[in-house]
Amino acid sequence: GDSVTQMEGPVTLSEEAFLTINCTYTATGYPSLFWYVQYPGEGLQLLLKATKADDKGSNKGFEATYRKETTSFHLEKGSVQVSDSAVYFCALSDVGGGNKLTFGTGTQLKVEL
Amino acid sequence: DGGITQSPKYLFRKEGQNVTLSCEQNLNHDAMYWYRQDPGQGLRLIYYSQIVNDFQKGDIAEGYSVSREKKESFPLTVTSAQKNPTAFYLCASSIVPGQSSEGYTFGSGTRLTVV
Repeated sequence: GDSVTQMEGPVTLSEEAFLTINCTYTATGYPSLFWYVQYPGEGLQLLLKATKADDKGSNKGFEATYRKETTSFHLEKGSVQVSDSAVYFCALSDVGGGNKLTFGTGTQLKVEL
Repeated sequence: DGGITQSPKYLFRKEGQNVTLSCEQNLNHDAMYWYRQDPGQGLRLIYYSQIVNDFQKGDIAEGYSVSREKKESFPLTVTSAQKNPTAFYLCASSIVPGQSSEGYTFGSGTRLTVV
């Protein structure tokens, strides 16, 4: 079945540091890939997505590229801010799975001054 | 603005009580979902519904029940059979199943605590 593997957290960075959160996936078809962000006490918000190989999703300075050859969708940001502190979830959606999202376990990011 | 509304934000339940969590959406989405989130863990699917008057069990349906009488509403009942109900509950919706590129829209969650 489909699965998503994320790097374990927490990830602690200083403000303005470079961020990478690794995400790899297993899917039988050609999934769409997503990153969601969850701020404390809130629901999940869609951060970015990519629907086919080599697509790059981007939003609020975050980027991720759909790499079919390595089955990866790593999240990156060049300069993090304290306000980026949150939990980040990688997810995939496969038509064969009835559009149900399969989530990774989430990676907590803490950004310090 | 369209979105998903979950209520209440905080809910306290006594041992042996059933409680119902509300989820309403005005996005005209066909599919709706309930997830449970525990500290340090990911999201676990409880129930989902792809069409009115139909729903399917997710990975952890025991001790929970749902109904889908209207497209806009997908309430979740946490029954007394759920032995460890304290958690954060998230409702989500999506457009027609089969269109995998759109993802979900989430509500802001209900935190349930057993007292």
